[in-house]
Amino acid sequence: SAVISQKPSRDICQRGTSLTIQCQVDSQVTMMFWYRQQPGQSLTLIATANQGSEATYESGFVIDKFPISRPNLTFSTLTVSNMSPEDSSIYLCSAHRELNTEAFFGQGTRLTVV
Amino acid sequence: DAKTTQPPSMDCAEGRAANLPCNHSTISGNEYVYWYRQIHSQGPQYIIHGLKNNETNEMASLIITEDRKSSTLILPHATLRDTAVYYCIVRGPTGQNFVFGPGTRLSVLP
Repeated sequence: SAVISQKPSRDICQRGTSLTIQCQVDSQVTMMFWYRQQPGQSLTLIATANQGSEATYESGFVIDKFPISRPNLTFSTLTVSNMSPEDSSIYLCSAHRELNTEAFFGQGTRLTVV
Repeated sequence: DAKTTQPPSMDCAEGRAANLPCNHSTISGNEYVYWYRQIHSQGPQYIIHGLKNNETNEMASLIITEDRKSSTLILPHATLRDTAVYYCIVRGPTGQNFVFGPGTRLSVLP
């Protein structure tokens, strides 16, 4: 298994500001992903974090709003930009060692925008 | 990746076996069945996965029907800490992310 650490675990932010969430994996992984979980809902994929290149975004998510970095095989960041109350959610990082193996998840970042 | 259907909620008495069903009638021959659970306010936790044979680990057993159109996750002796949302996901070997449906909310009752 892989251990995934996310920081911060929670935050309360003012609207119009930005928050960067960090995801650190304890070993090198092939794939890293960012998900959003809105209150009472299931997980929705935001994007695939590609090492050394631009992230691949799902429909409804754009780079200007959710810029993602992945400088190496163990670390990624997600920024939630120009936040509004609608961005209040749990943001989760996940990783796979190889393409056809199970995914492991961080504990999530609970974001509240006021 | 094939779509899955799960009951929205189930109850189970503490100490009894919890049997969580999942239908995946459009599953392809090379697609795996994965199970995850999410305990309140935590990230999803991997439980088990399988292709066509039944699988068992320290957490649970996975029973896949011979036609692979459905499966059952079995928690042999449910405890209060097993109360969670359980997700059944079908994913191919070259699939990228995991697609989460609404899952089954399992309540283990004392």
